[in-house]
Amino acid sequence: GAVVSQHPSRVICKSGTSVKIECRSLDFQATTMFWYRQFPKQSLMLMATSNEGSKATYEQGVEKDKFLINHASLTLSTLTVTSAHPEDSSFYICSARRSTDTQYFGPGTRLTVL
Amino acid sequence: GNSVTQMEGPVTLSEEAFLTINCTYTATGYPSLFWYVQYPGEGLQLLLKATKADDKGSNKGFEATYRKETTSFHLEKGSVQVSDSAVYFCALMNSGNTPLVFGKGTRLSVIA
Repeated sequence: GAVVSQHPSRVICKSGTSVKIECRSLDFQATTMFWYRQFPKQSLMLMATSNEGSKATYEQGVEKDKFLINHASLTLSTLTVTSAHPEDSSFYICSARRSTDTQYFGPGTRLTVL
Repeated sequence: GNSVTQMEGPVTLSEEAFLTINCTYTATGYPSLFWYVQYPGEGLQLLLKATKADDKGSNKGFEATYRKETTSFHLEKGSVQVSDSAVYFCALMNSGNTPLVFGKGTRLSVIA
């Protein structure tokens, strides 16, 4: 199956700093990538949809100035959590879609803000 | 709108027991249906999918049949193993470039 990687897998940062998470599709070109956030023992909350070369579409309630998404190429999307605070601590998961109807998920990034 | 409802967990079974996790959906049009599995500390992996009515998806002993008449996509496995312990998510996707819509997930624990 298709492979999607995320980096880093875990990150701990101080409050007020910014953190960048990378999502790469390793063996296919992804015209669309998605970013999700998962709280403990809960389902995935879609944050935004990212199409290569265009601005991301954010879900209602997600601050686009806080969660900056860049999709500069067909294999890379980045999520930057700006001025992170403890309430931003979460598990962030990206997914990528090929031309078929299947989304492939990355392994997730555990963000802890102290 | 589109939504997915799956049975609440946690579900605890003994090894070799039969598993059913119910999933029903509401959607406009004719969605594709998916089951994803999430092992502890990991991302989601596609377990199986079905793209049209009466299709059966299967993988690793798991099965689910797309039932349009009952708008369901129940996940079944005849004999679970300890290694099947994970969270299972039912999801749908309508045609076009729309994102997946997930159920809340069902945690399965299989004990030896």
